[in-house]
Amino acid sequence: EDKVVQSPLSLVVHEGDTVTLNCSYEVTNFRSLLWYKQEKKAPTFLFMLTSSGIEKKSGRLSSILDKKELFSILNITATQTGDSAVYLCAPLYNTDKLIFGTGTRLQVFP
Amino acid sequence: EAGVAQSPRYKIIEKRQSVAFWCNPISGHATLYWYQQILGQGPKLLIQFQNNGVVDDSQLPKDRFSAERLKGVDSTLKIQPAKLEDSAVYLCASSLDLGSRRSGYTFGSGTRLTVV
Repeated sequence: EDKVVQSPLSLVVHEGDTVTLNCSYEVTNFRSLLWYKQEKKAPTFLFMLTSSGIEKKSGRLSSILDKKELFSILNITATQTGDSAVYLCAPLYNTDKLIFGTGTRLQVFP
Repeated sequence: EAGVAQSPRYKIIEKRQSVAFWCNPISGHATLYWYQQILGQGPKLLIQFQNNGVVDDSQLPKDRFSAERLKGVDSTLKIQPAKLEDSAVYLCASSLDLGSRRSGYTFGSGTRLTVV
């Protein structure tokens, strides 16, 4: 059965802290792994990772994929209150379906 | 470019009533998805269209849910009759083509359904 496990489920930090969010997956015909940020209703796209070991960066956010060990991490450095959101990991597989994890709820306090 | 449009934004209905949601994808996007997101969970795929054809509806509860995408553009998702456990946010997403590797799928703002 295809599945995605994210950890931790919830994280509370202070501004300026660095956080690491984890995503492990088991899917058939894996193609890519996507990270989304969900603040209210609509998830917004962060990264698409297709190759192992190549770090993608966007400002204070970075992500890397390990296709051998079937996991990905999302790092956020110097966190800000605006980073508070649910972060969703979603492997893309088969006929371009996305399967989402439960997400990690990040709360950043001043 | 305009985003994925969904309506209504909120809907409250009684159980056993019917409800319909509408989605207008980004212009030119061939693939359209409907996801159900129950509170505290990640989105779950209900149905995937490629143009006006169904690619995957394996997780759509077909006894009460139906969806169509006439002319390969707009789509509607219907629930009839609704149950309490259908309370969720219904998200529509679209992508340029199957296997698009340029970006992730674009989601609409969703419709929050409450069944009482």
